[in-house]
Amino acid sequence: NAGVTQTPKFQVLKTGQSMTLQCAQDMNHNSMYWYRQDPGMGLRLIYYSASEGTTDKGEVPNGYNVSRLNKREFSLRLESAAPSQTSVYFCASSEGIGEKLFFGSGTQLSVL
Amino acid sequence: DQQVKQNSPSLSVQEGRISILNCDYTNSMFDYFLWYKKYPAEGPTFLISISSIKDKNEDGRFTVFLNKSAKHLSLHIVPSQPGDSAVYFCAASAPDSWGKFQFGAGTQVVVTP
Repeated sequence: NAGVTQTPKFQVLKTGQSMTLQCAQDMNHNSMYWYRQDPGMGLRLIYYSASEGTTDKGEVPNGYNVSRLNKREFSLRLESAAPSQTSVYFCASSEGIGEKLFFGSGTQLSVL
Repeated sequence: DQQVKQNSPSLSVQEGRISILNCDYTNSMFDYFLWYKKYPAEGPTFLISISSIKDKNEDGRFTVFLNKSAKHLSLHIVPSQPGDSAVYFCAASAPDSWGKFQFGAGTQVVVTP
């Protein structure tokens, strides 16, 4: 009964390094999302994929790219990490776009 | 420009009493509202939702009230239990934003014995 699985749970990067956050869901959901959470702010949408084969920008897409690899997997890539990208990242999925979200446990990312 | 605001960052309540969490929004197009609960080191989990055609929705100890004219919703937890200690987020979406939920900053609830 895994739900939404994110890896890694923790990561420390140096400025300019790249990395990919992985997310997989086993609920056969059509839509997937990447959010970031910063202190004193709500979760902000980075990118989403309404269905397999589509991706769209959210509220804060700059500095990120995504890939919807298949129906189960949605990855988030930081090409050149910046300190402003220090945050907690959550992957989420939903049965369809606009329906309630199921979240992974998050990735704590620090960029030094 | 935060369209969903939770103005109380924290709330302390005694076990057995009522917890009332508030959420205000500015976008009159919002028609679907959700509450999420988050424990440390875990992702948010869905708690309860309400659509704009209703003004109240109940699920066990949790009730959400929606006042569209005031652009305000609230979550009531009765009675509060120690396991309710968590951060609570409200979220909202509009038909034209196609699933892009706007989240409030959260309210930390602490239930004391």
